[in-house]
Amino acid sequence: SYDLTQPPSVSVSPGQTASITCSGDKLGDKYVCWYQQKPGQSPVLVIYQDNKRPSGIPERFSGANSGNTATLTIRETHPLDEADYYCQAWDTTASVFGTGTTVTV
Amino acid sequence: EVQLVESGGGLVQRGGSLRLSCAASGFNLNDYSMNWVRQAPGKGLEWISYISGSGNTIYYADSVKGRFTISRDTAENSLHLQMNGLRAEDTAVYYCAREIVGEADYLDYWGQGTLVTVSS
Repeated sequence: SYDLTQPPSVSVSPGQTASITCSGDKLGDKYVCWYQQKPGQSPVLVIYQDNKRPSGIPERFSGANSGNTATLTIRETHPLDEADYYCQAWDTTASVFGTGTTVTV
Repeated sequence: EVQLVESGGGLVQRGGSLRLSCAASGFNLNDYSMNWVRQAPGKGLEWISYISGSGNTIYYADSVKGRFTISRDTAENSLHLQMNGLRAEDTAVYYCAREIVGEADYLDYWGQGTLVTVSS
């Protein structure tokens, strides 16, 4: 089975930049998306197709994917960005979520 | 407005069965692929099943293959998940999610989830 590994937690000061990595074998050959989930809420798509933002997602959120690692970057981090973040990719006939990263602001 | 509303969760004994439903509104299920994703208490997201817009392509995670069945009711515009042989490790919030299929695939709308608790 295909695995996506994320750091369990990332801590960032308000206004600074948070970077969350997602590692998987030849991940750069796949498209990656990212979801934000706040406590008690459903996940929300923040990045799709590696680096595209859905409407309503601030420009502070950006993504990149190359080699074995995808990265979600949150610039000018706000306290409201505090949440769990999950990467996701498709591997032939199965979708895979990353292990999840808790971002603390 | 796109809405997904799950129902059917509850408390069930180990080995029992449960049928989850996901009522879709604001779009036609025939036009979109759909997924079920679950989240055990305090844990991460786990994808468990996919059905294409046509209904002809279905995938399952190994953890539920042979026990769970995904289906659609086009007349009711609803998605279902029949869960048999439930285990304690199936305890989770179950979400249905709409998938955009194209150059890249992603889940653009999620329901609020329904909690399934399997007692041992």
